[in-house]
Amino acid sequence: EAGVAQSPRYKIIEKRQSVAFWCNPISGHATLYWYQQILGQGPKLLIQFQNNGVVDDSQLPKDRFSAERLKGVDSTLKIQPAKLEDSAVYLCASSTRQALTSEQYFGPGTRLTVT
Amino acid sequence: TQLLEQSPQFLSIQEGENLTVYCNSSSVFSSLQWYRQEPGEGPVLLVTVVTGGEVKKLKRLTFQFGDARKDSSLHITAAQPGDTGLYLCAGEDRGSTLGRLYFGRGTQLTVWP
Repeated sequence: EAGVAQSPRYKIIEKRQSVAFWCNPISGHATLYWYQQILGQGPKLLIQFQNNGVVDDSQLPKDRFSAERLKGVDSTLKIQPAKLEDSAVYLCASSTRQALTSEQYFGPGTRLTVT
Repeated sequence: TQLLEQSPQFLSIQEGENLTVYCNSSSVFSSLQWYRQEPGEGPVLLVTVVTGGEVKKLKRLTFQFGDARKDSSLHITAAQPGDTGLYLCAGEDRGSTLGRLYFGRGTQLTVWP
């Protein structure tokens, strides 16, 4: 079974530029998550989708971050304009709600450096 | 504010030693998950504990969930260099958004040969 795919793996941009990340979850997983992991910290949830609807975006800085999951499969996360403090690894994860617990499967992440 | 506090933050030991990593919170969780993350990769799930007092073993790794479902520990026996990585605990809160996980900062473990 293929895992969660993310691209690009690395991205370097200047502050005030825009950037987009792409995620393809495990086939059949209805729930998709985007996390931000700053160096030395654990992942922090940015947004959670159930199929193509947003379940939780309370931690998403909506003035600069946006995300969509059209057709309930792939998802994109966009930052516009980027700030220095956005430098982090952006992780995508997916899970199936058929399980008793929310066991999440993570992609390799996109490492973003804002200069 | 971190809901989950992990300790120690860093751990550097020799091969063959035993170690324990702690994950504490003032909040009650529906389940507690442990992940291991290697450089350049996403976290990989090791185990999920659900019942208060539950103990699960995975080869040389022993996971315990506190009776009150607020804390957990990970014990590694006879550590090996392959155990090196960032160990993350994550609490699931089913009372709010379904399936939301709250991660601790992690414990960076280095095992020297």
